[in-house]
Amino acid sequence: EAGVAQSPRYKIIEKRQSVAFWCNPISGHATLYWYQQILGQGPKLLIQFQNNGVVDDSQLPKDRFSAERLKGVDSTLKIQPAKLEDSAVYLCASSWPEGERVNTGELFFGEGSRLTVL
Amino acid sequence: AQSVTQLGSHVSVSEGALVLLRCNYSSSVPPYLFWYVQYPNQGLQLLLKYTSAATLVKGINGFEAEFKKSETSFHLTKPSAHMSDAAEYFCAVNPFGGTSYGKLTFGQGTILTVHP
Repeated sequence: EAGVAQSPRYKIIEKRQSVAFWCNPISGHATLYWYQQILGQGPKLLIQFQNNGVVDDSQLPKDRFSAERLKGVDSTLKIQPAKLEDSAVYLCASSWPEGERVNTGELFFGEGSRLTVL
Repeated sequence: AQSVTQLGSHVSVSEGALVLLRCNYSSSVPPYLFWYVQYPNQGLQLLLKYTSAATLVKGINGFEAEFKKSETSFHLTKPSAHMSDAAEYFCAVNPFGGTSYGKLTFGQGTILTVHP
């Protein structure tokens, strides 16, 4: 079974530039999450999708961050313009639809996209 | 609001020694609790979870954790450390009781080093 795919793995940009990260979840996983992991901290949820709808984006800095999942499969997270404090690893995770018996509570994470803002 | 505190950002043990990684949580409702492991340059992988069934939970790779409500703790243990256990470990809480598994609050992580 293929895992969660993310790209690019590494990205270096200057502040005020823009960047986009892509995620393809495990086949059949309707729920998709983007987490931000700053060095030395635990991951923090940015946004949660169920199919192509947003379930929770309360912690997404909407003045500069945006995310979409147009066809309910892969997703893109964009930052525009980037700030120094956006340097982090952006983790995508997926799971079976919540409320369904097959959901064991486990999130499946990708390897992450490491962003450095200079 | 829920929170997770992991005591000790770095833990070092000898191969074969007991591993104990501490986690305390705060939650206004009975929580679901998780331990995830992260190897270098990889994503997080679920070790084990507590979802209000048995308080002693067994996970992969010989790890286990015990939910103690009176102490609001969910410490992770392994009787005998192996070199391959070296990684960063995250405790996480979901206060929604399973209605929204993905809305996890993570601790800051504990880096486990295993010496030969």
